[in-house]
Amino acid sequence: AIQMTQSPSSLSASVGDRVIITCRASQDIRNALGWYQQKPGKVPKLLIYAASSLQSGVPSRFSGSGSGTDFILTISSLQPEDFATYYCLQDYSSWHTFGGGTKVEIK
Amino acid sequence: EIQLVESGGALIQPGGSLRLSCVASGFIFSNYEMNWVRQAPGKGLECVSYIDRDSRIKYYADSVKGRFTISRDNAENSLYLQMNSLTAEDTAIYYCVREDGEPAAKDVWGQGTTVTVSS
Repeated sequence: AIQMTQSPSSLSASVGDRVIITCRASQDIRNALGWYQQKPGKVPKLLIYAASSLQSGVPSRFSGSGSGTDFILTISSLQPEDFATYYCLQDYSSWHTFGGGTKVEIK
Repeated sequence: EIQLVESGGALIQPGGSLRLSCVASGFIFSNYEMNWVRQAPGKGLECVSYIDRDSRIKYYADSVKGRFTISRDNAENSLYLQMNSLTAEDTAIYYCVREDGEPAAKDVWGQGTTVTVSS
């Protein structure tokens, strides 16, 4: 199975900060990478698909980049409602795997 | 409104069986591939099982292979997960999830149903 390694596992940031989360695949997955946000007690929400396509209704401060094995989720200016856990997901292989998650906390 | 509603979660003893259901509404269910994704308490997300539109292709996580069976009834707009030989490691919230068709786009999630395996 393709392994997805996210970093960092957690970070502290302030409102207005630029936040970068990375995800590395254990093999080339082309652009088959998505990013999901999950708030405590809530259902995961799709933010980015195909590595860099913004899901409808998601604020433009979220962006994704990368291809192959290395991917980045950027939040350009962190807002109070963005404090959550973020997961990457690959579906290049027949078996889909999530990264371990990155918890974004208030500094 | 596009919606997925799961049911069937329960407290069950180790070794027991359970059948989860998911009813879809607001979209043409038969046009979409579907998944079950779970989340153990305090843990991350894990893809459990996948089924294509015609039920010809099914995938399972190694951790559930041989014990869980995914199925769907397109006429009833429903997705199912039959879970047998349950262990404490299967304790989790189970989400019914739609595949949009774009790469890595699991775009619609149900609210989840809780399975607790304990004696």
